[in-house]
Amino acid sequence: GQQLNQSPQSMFIQEGEDVSMNCTSSSIFNTWLWYKQDPGEGPVLLIALYKAGELTSNGRLTAQFGITRKDSFLNISASIPSDVGIYFCAAMNYGGSQGNLIFGKGTKLSVKP
Amino acid sequence: DAGITQSPRYKITETGRQVTLMCHQTWSHSYMFWYRQDLGHGLRLIYYSAAADITDKGEVPDGYVVSRSKTENFPLTLESATRSQTSVYFCASSERQGPPRGYTFGSGTRLTVV
Repeated sequence: GQQLNQSPQSMFIQEGEDVSMNCTSSSIFNTWLWYKQDPGEGPVLLIALYKAGELTSNGRLTAQFGITRKDSFLNISASIPSDVGIYFCAAMNYGGSQGNLIFGKGTKLSVKP
Repeated sequence: DAGITQSPRYKITETGRQVTLMCHQTWSHSYMFWYRQDLGHGLRLIYYSAAADITDKGEVPDGYVVSRSKTENFPLTLESATRSQTSVYFCASSERQGPPRGYTFGSGTRLTVV
């Protein structure tokens, strides 16, 4: 079946550092999403990408929809302690009938003050 | 309050018992989903529903049953709980029309089967 390979699995960084994570697949998707999950809560949507090559920002977060439509990247600039959590990439093919969202296994981010 | 709510937040049950996890959304979203989250596996789709009385299997449906008699509710039942079903369960919903804005998730139910 379709799979998303997300890396790294975990990151330990110092406050103020920039963070990069990515997600790849052997399948093509027309929608890529990035979610963040705080401890004890459900995932919350951060950024949605709908077009190959698209670059979208949300505050200190920037995500890109890969030109091949098989990957996506998320960058966090100048990390702060509240960035701690698990970040999930997700992808789907939307159109006609509703496609189902599939998720990567997550990147656990720890930020040292 | 508007939103998507799951109950209970925590549940401990014994092997072999039937247990039902509840999910309620107030947006009248057509689509609803059940995921389980396990260490090393991320989020895996159990069942989903495109509308009331329409349900379909996801990636890991074995051992689970769903129903959707009303648009706003989507309960998940474990007919005979097993230890391998110990997990955190998330319900989600989404709109039917227009570009996908992703799914909105509930806060989860942490289920332990002993």
